[in-house]
Amino acid sequence: AQKVTQAQTEISVVEKEDVTLDCVYETRDTTYYLFWYKQPPSGELVFLIRRNSFDEQNEISGRYSWNFQKSTSSFNFTITASQVVDSAVYFCALHGSGNTGKLIFGQGTTLQVKP
Amino acid sequence: KAGVTQTPRYLIKTRGQQVTLSCSPISGHRSVSWYQQTPGQGLQFLFEYFSETQRNKGNFPGRFSGRQFSNSRSEMNVSTLELGDSALYLCASSLAREITDTQYFGPGTRLTVL
Repeated sequence: AQKVTQAQTEISVVEKEDVTLDCVYETRDTTYYLFWYKQPPSGELVFLIRRNSFDEQNEISGRYSWNFQKSTSSFNFTITASQVVDSAVYFCALHGSGNTGKLIFGQGTTLQVKP
Repeated sequence: KAGVTQTPRYLIKTRGQQVTLSCSPISGHRSVSWYQQTPGQGLQFLFEYFSETQRNKGNFPGRFSGRQFSNSRSEMNVSTLELGDSALYLCASSLAREITDTQYFGPGTRLTVL
């Protein structure tokens, strides 16, 4: 079975603080892809990153960075110097190679950034 | 390039009715997937279409169906609506060069069943 767990239901930080959103996944596939999406109050899921199971290099994009550790089946997301506009629900998702068109999502982490 | 569009954005129906939701993918995208989002169950996969064929299906009753047209536009239909069908329905499109290509989501249709 494939599963994604985001243990943090809600996180509240003050602007400019750094925050890390945790994601742990389970899969028996050797080839798979991991994703992060952001869902602002408008409802649309906004794509942030796609990472395949063979690429464990950390990635940085502006204030966002991702840490993929296969040994612990984790794909954590860090926002540096958070801003109010970062307030949203963040979803981690898994796409197994044998599961056409199907993303398996975690329950999401609601991030509130206070001014 | 225009994003994924979904119509209508909001819908109110009563139990027992049926509803059809529409999704237009990003130009050039050939795969469309549908998801249901509820506070209790989160985001759950409904089905995926590619070249007018359903390639994958989630664990939903037969009241949920879909189709894809030759221009890649997709519709999903829910018959005999139940209160529990109230949800945000999201569709996503991808290029489908690979099975695991990135999915880009539309704004969703919020369905309320009274």
